[in-house]
Amino acid sequence: DIQMTQSPASLSASLEEIVTITCQASQDIGNWLAWYQQKPGKSPQLLIYDATSLADGVPSRFSGSRSGTQYSLKISRLQVEDIGSYYCQQAHSNPWTFGGGTKLELK
Amino acid sequence: EVKLVESGGGLVQPGRSLKLSCAASGFNFNDYWMGWVRQAPGKGLEWIGEINKDSSTINYTPSLKDKFTISRDNAQNTLYLQMSKLGSEDTAIYYCARDWELYFDYWGQGVMVTVSS
Repeated sequence: DIQMTQSPASLSASLEEIVTITCQASQDIGNWLAWYQQKPGKSPQLLIYDATSLADGVPSRFSGSRSGTQYSLKISRLQVEDIGSYYCQQAHSNPWTFGGGTKLELK
Repeated sequence: EVKLVESGGGLVQPGRSLKLSCAASGFNFNDYWMGWVRQAPGKGLEWIGEINKDSSTINYTPSLKDKFTISRDNAQNTLYLQMSKLGSEDTAIYYCARDWELYFDYWGQGVMVTVSS
C-alpha cells in the first residue's frame, strides 16, 4: 500500500496568515492526489484534485502544488471558516489511502 | 442537489453483523462509482472500499476485505455496506461518498456505528 505521511499533525495560525500543509507519498503517485477539508462535526469536502486543481466553489486562497513525491496545500490568507482538519488522499493505486490529517486551529 | 443519506447505524454487540444503507439522490446514480470511508472517534479517514457502476468490480482495503461487503441497487439508488464479525475497532462514523475521477466529490453526513457489549 502507498503510505501518505502528512505534516504537521496540528497547526496553530493567525487570521490572514499563510498556512502550508504537506503530504509525502511513499512512492511516485504522479498528480493523483486530493486534499479534503473537514470542519468540526461535518463531513469532509473536496478542496483540490489532481494535486493542483481547485474543486468547484473552493475559494482561490486555497492552492495545491507538487515537488516530486511531496505535495503541499497552501492557504494564502487564513480565514476563520478555514478552521478544521485537512487530509490528503492518493488515487494512484488501490487501496486509496489518506494522510493522517492536520488539525488547524486559530492562534 | 446531490444528496447522500446514510442509515442503519447504532449500537451493536461484538461479533455481530450490521448493514448500512446510503440513499442517493440528485444525480444519475448509475453513472458513478461509489465508496465507503470511515472515521474512528478523534481519528483520521480510512478508505473501506468502492464499487463500480454495474457492481462488476468491487475493491476493498485489504484489512477489511473478509469482514465487509459492498453492494448497490441501481433501481433503488442505494449503496450498501454489510459488516460482519464486528469488533471495538470498527466503532466509527461511516460515510458513503460519490467517486468522481477517483476522488470523493460528495459525502453523506455519516452514520455512527458503536460496537460494545
